[in-house]
Amino acid sequence: GENVEQHPSTLSVQEGDSAVIKCTYSDSASNYFPWYKQELGKRPQLIIDIRSNVGEKKDQRIAVTLNKTAKHFSLHITETQPEDSAVYFCAASILTGGGNKLTFGTGTQLKVEL
Amino acid sequence: DSGVTQTPKHLITATGQRVTLRCSPRSGDLSVYWYQQSLDQGLQFLIQYYNGEERAKGNILERFSAQQFPDLHSELNLSSLELGDSALYFCASSVETGLYGYTFGSGTRLTVV
Repeated sequence: GENVEQHPSTLSVQEGDSAVIKCTYSDSASNYFPWYKQELGKRPQLIIDIRSNVGEKKDQRIAVTLNKTAKHFSLHITETQPEDSAVYFCAASILTGGGNKLTFGTGTQLKVEL
Repeated sequence: DSGVTQTPKHLITATGQRVTLRCSPRSGDLSVYWYQQSLDQGLQFLIQYYNGEERAKGNILERFSAQQFPDLHSELNLSSLELGDSALYFCASSVETGLYGYTFGSGTRLTVV
């Protein structure tokens, strides 16, 4: 089955700096890559996703890049703010009719310091 | 409110007991997924149901079982509970065609004492 590795496990940045989280996946058939943000004690929330027919996607301060050949994708957060502090999870799946099972990375604890 | 409803929010029970966690998916979603999140752990996939049928199974213990009912709500049954079963249990749902990622409920925090 699919295996997703995520690095780093913890990341500390100064407010206003950029943060980058990287993930690799094992199944070349995977075609959907969402990122989730989870604040302490709360549910994971989808913040951005990308499909395999696109190399990059941006939404305000957040961007995701995908390299299908290398089987890795990354989350980029620019101009970080204290409210960006949370655990971020990458995931991969194969979209099919009937739903899709997401395989998650192990998470990155991002801390944005003042 | 994500539209995925999980009850109860908190549950405290003793070792050896059995509990049932309930999940109602977003309106129109046919797939339901259960995940376990232990302290400092990631999201471990347990099981998926699609329109009443089991679709995929992950690292779900034999002491755990689930089902999805005709009205599409799902229940996760945990029996012979052990201290190590203490965790956040999340339910998520997705649209049939899988065009989008899925939406998580707020979770049930299970504490086994």
